[in-house]
Amino acid sequence: QQQVKQSPQSLIVQKGGISIINCAYENTAFDYFPWYQQFPGKGPALLIAIRPDVSEKKEGRFTISFNKSAKQFSLHIMDSQPGDSATYFCAAKGGSQGNLIFGKGTKLSVKP
Amino acid sequence: GAGVSQSPSNKVTEKGKDVELRCDPISGHTALYWYRQSLGQGLEFLIYFQGNSAPDKSGLPSDRFSAERTGGSVSTLTIQRTQQEDSAVYLCASSSGIDEQFFGPGTRLTVL
Repeated sequence: QQQVKQSPQSLIVQKGGISIINCAYENTAFDYFPWYQQFPGKGPALLIAIRPDVSEKKEGRFTISFNKSAKQFSLHIMDSQPGDSATYFCAAKGGSQGNLIFGKGTKLSVKP
Repeated sequence: GAGVSQSPSNKVTEKGKDVELRCDPISGHTALYWYRQSLGQGLEFLIYFQGNSAPDKSGLPSDRFSAERTGGSVSTLTIQRTQQEDSAVYLCASSSGIDEQFFGPGTRLTVL
C-alpha cells in the first residue's frame, strides 16, 4: 500500500529525444505527486509536481501525465539535453502521511 | 535566500561510535523531515517534525536512531553505536507546511 514503483532503472536517450519515466502507486489516498532531479553529490531538487485533479501539467520541457484510474503517472522530458543527465525520483504523499514515499529512481543519460 | 543546510557534509566514523548530524531548515518553515539514501536506492523516510506537534518517528529503523528539533528550527539526528549498515547519505528537507519539500545537500556517513 505504501510503495511507489518506478521504471526504468536506467535510461539512455539521444540529445533532442524524449525521455519518459513511469511510476505507479497503490494508495488511493495519495494526493500529491512530485518529481525530483538529483545530480551526483547534491540533494534532490523539486522539478515539477501534480495533484490528481488534473491529468497533465507542463513546465517548459517537463510534463507530468497523470492517470488516476490506472494509478500511474509519468515524467516526459522533451528535447532532452546532456545537462538533463541525472537521477530522477518520483514520489507521492497524502492521507495521514506528511512524508514523501519515493520510487527507487531512474538514472538518465542523454548522449550528445 | 538561503536553502536547507546540513553539516557536516561528510562524516567518517568507527563502528560503535555515536554521531550527530545537523540540519538548518529554511527560515520560517514549520515542517522538517529526515530521509536516508543508501547507494543506488531511493529515499527512505526516517522522521518528521511539524510545528510543536509530537514528531512522526515511524520511519526510524531502530532505537539507535533519534532526532530532536530545538526551538522549531535546527534539528539534530543522532545515531548511537553506529553499524556499517548505517552508511548512507542522510538528507534533511523542510517545508512551509503545504506540499513542497526542499532538500539540503545531505551528509554522507561512512561507518568503518
